[in-house]
Amino acid sequence: EVQLLESGGGLVQPGGSLRVSCAASGFTFSGQLMTWVRQAPGKGLEWVSSISGRGTTTNYAESVLGRFTVSRDNSKNTLYLQMNSLSAEDTAVYYCAKDTNVDHWGQGTLVTVSS
Amino acid sequence: DIQLTQSPSSLSASVGDRVTITCRASQSISTWIAWYQQRPDEAPKSLIYAASILRSGVPSRFSGSGSGTDFTLTITSLQPEDFATYYCQQYNSYPITFGQGTRLEMK
Repeated sequence: EVQLLESGGGLVQPGGSLRVSCAASGFTFSGQLMTWVRQAPGKGLEWVSSISGRGTTTNYAESVLGRFTVSRDNSKNTLYLQMNSLSAEDTAVYYCAKDTNVDHWGQGTLVTVSS
Repeated sequence: DIQLTQSPSSLSASVGDRVTITCRASQSISTWIAWYQQRPDEAPKSLIYAASILRSGVPSRFSGSGSGTDFTLTITSLQPEDFATYYCQQYNSYPITFGQGTRLEMK
């Protein structure tokens, strides 16, 4: 059974940094493209970033380009999203997702940017 | 960027009804479209990919169609658990984009 378990969310001050993680199981993680999608409170879904199976190719939404970095540790079956220079507009639930054409979603982790 | 426009934005229907949600892309995306269902306070659930292929475990009352720029999600014989928000998504090219969502409410 595919499982995606996010962690690392929380409250961070504007301008601060945070790293969220996603522990994956139930499939061959190293061969799978992975994606982060976020959802601001009461809003729709927004694609954030995707990373290839080997981690050699990454793509970002313009809204996070230069501030967020996606990475993965295939030895630990874990996906990461390092978020820097956070602002209130980054407040959202961050979902880890398998593939770009998502077949499995994590439960999400809430990131709140506020002073 | 490819824009996706869903219509309607909201929809009221009754159990047993048939409903159709439309998603229009700003340029051709072949059949590189997926549909997701999201109930309140839950993570999204994947319903359909490649415009018309049902994910495993998704009831057959859900169906998708279309190609190019115009796509539809149809739910026949609505069930109580179907009242939720539905999103289309294109994965033809980066940046990946979602429609704004269609909220399906009980009449």
